[in-house]
Amino acid sequence: QKEVEQNSGPLSVPEGAIASLNCTYSDRGSQSFFWYRQYSGKSPELIMSIYSNGDKEDGRFTAQLNKASQYVSLLIRDSQPSDSATYLCAVNANAGGTSYGKLTFGQGTILTVHP
Amino acid sequence: DARVTQTPRHKVTEMGQEVTMRCQPILGHNTVFWYRQTMMQGLELLAYFRNRAPLDDSGMPKDRFSAEMPDATLATLKIQPSEPRDSAVYFCANPDESGETQYFGPGTRLLVL
Repeated sequence: QKEVEQNSGPLSVPEGAIASLNCTYSDRGSQSFFWYRQYSGKSPELIMSIYSNGDKEDGRFTAQLNKASQYVSLLIRDSQPSDSATYLCAVNANAGGTSYGKLTFGQGTILTVHP
Repeated sequence: DARVTQTPRHKVTEMGQEVTMRCQPILGHNTVFWYRQTMMQGLELLAYFRNRAPLDDSGMPKDRFSAEMPDATLATLKIQPSEPRDSAVYFCANPDESGETQYFGPGTRLLVL
C-alpha cells in the first residue's frame, strides 16, 4: 500500500464546474498536508496547505482535511482551462520544524478542464 | 527574485557515462531535497541535506548515486555509471525555514540511452 494515494485520473470537467480531487494517506500521525500543482513540463508549485480538520479556502480553491478518515481533498470552483494540470497531494509526517519539510507525494491526478 | 536553479536543464547521455546534476539553493535556505520523477513511480525522495550534512539518503541507490553539498550555494547529484532506468526528471527543492513550503527548481531532464 502506497503511503499517499490519489486517483491518477484523468479527471475531465467542463469550464465553470467544480473539480474535486481526493487523496488518502496511511500514516495516522501525519501533521501537515499540501496540494501542489504541476503543469506539463514544469516543476511542482504549492497552491494550498492545511494542518487541522475542516475546510480552508483560498480564492477558488478549498482544501478539506479529515484526519479520522485520513483523507484530504481539493475543490476547485469555477474551473478554468488554465487549471488543467497534474495535482499532487503531499504529506509531512512530522511538524515541519522537526523534519525540515520532508514530504511524501502521491502519484498525482491529471485534471483537464475543457471549454 | 529568489529561486532555486538547476543545471543542466536537459541531459542526454549513453549508458555507463557519469552524470552530474547541480542545484543552487535559495540563499539562506539551509535544507536541500533531491527528488526523482517518473511516470511509473511519481515523485520520489532520493536524499536531503541540512546545513550541508546528509540527513537521509535512504531513497537513493547507493551503488551508483551520490549526493553532496560542498558549500551552501551548491548541491550536486551524481550517477556513475548511468543506466537507462535512471532516465527521469530530477528536481532539487528548498523548503522555507518553517519547513512547510517547498520551492522546486526547474528540474534536470535526464535521458540515458
